Amino acid sequence: TQLLEQSPQFLSIQEGENLTVYCNSSSVFSSLQWYRQEPGEGPVLLVTVVTGGEVKKLKRLTFQFGDARKDSSLHITAAQPGDTGLYLCAGKTSYDKVIFGPGTSLSVIP
Amino acid sequence: NAGVTQTPKFRVLKTGQSMTLLCAQDMNHEYMYWYRQDPGMGLRLIHYSVGEGTTAKGEVPDGYNVSRLKKQNFLLGLESAAPSQTSVYFCASSLTGNSGNTIYFGEGSWLTVV
Repeated sequence: TQLLEQSPQFLSIQEGENLTVYCNSSSVFSSLQWYRQEPGEGPVLLVTVVTGGEVKKLKRLTFQFGDARKDSSLHITAAQPGDTGLYLCAGKTSYDKVIFGPGTSLSVIP
Repeated sequence: NAGVTQTPKFRVLKTGQSMTLLCAQDMNHEYMYWYRQDPGMGLRLIHYSVGEGTTAKGEVPDGYNVSRLKKQNFLLGLESAAPSQTSVYFCASSLTGNSGNTIYFGEGSWLTVV
């Protein structure tokens, strides 16, 4: 069974602080995606990384895919209250299935 | 833009009752999915479909059935609801199953089984 773990599970920080959340697995994924989910809504795609070692930036968010394609990180610079939400990573397996991690719940306090 | 729509949004069922969750997408996507989301467990795939008339089991298929009679619709059925099926259900779709394809989610259906 392929499993994705995310850490930390919960994170509460002050506006303006930096943070990093992690997504780890013992399995190799062909691609990995990050989603953000706000209360009462479905997840929305932020980014897809495909190549080992790949780094993508989306404004204040920086995503990195591990060299071995087993892990990924999301770094947010100068967090804002609008960044509050549940951050989910999702890995694409060799069997064309997408496996989701349990998520990191981020709260940014003004 | 409608995207992925689910109905109903909220439902309370008694143990043993049956119901169907409806999902529709207007993006001409081939792949459709049903997930359930429970606290601390993320999204778990129940069933999915790679095209009209086809369905396949996901991680947690027991107690659920699905049908994809039309490309734009994917129905999730509970034949005999159990309290363990209390959850938030999300329908989703993607153009194909290729890496990098965006999965678009509906807004969720909150189901409580008492």
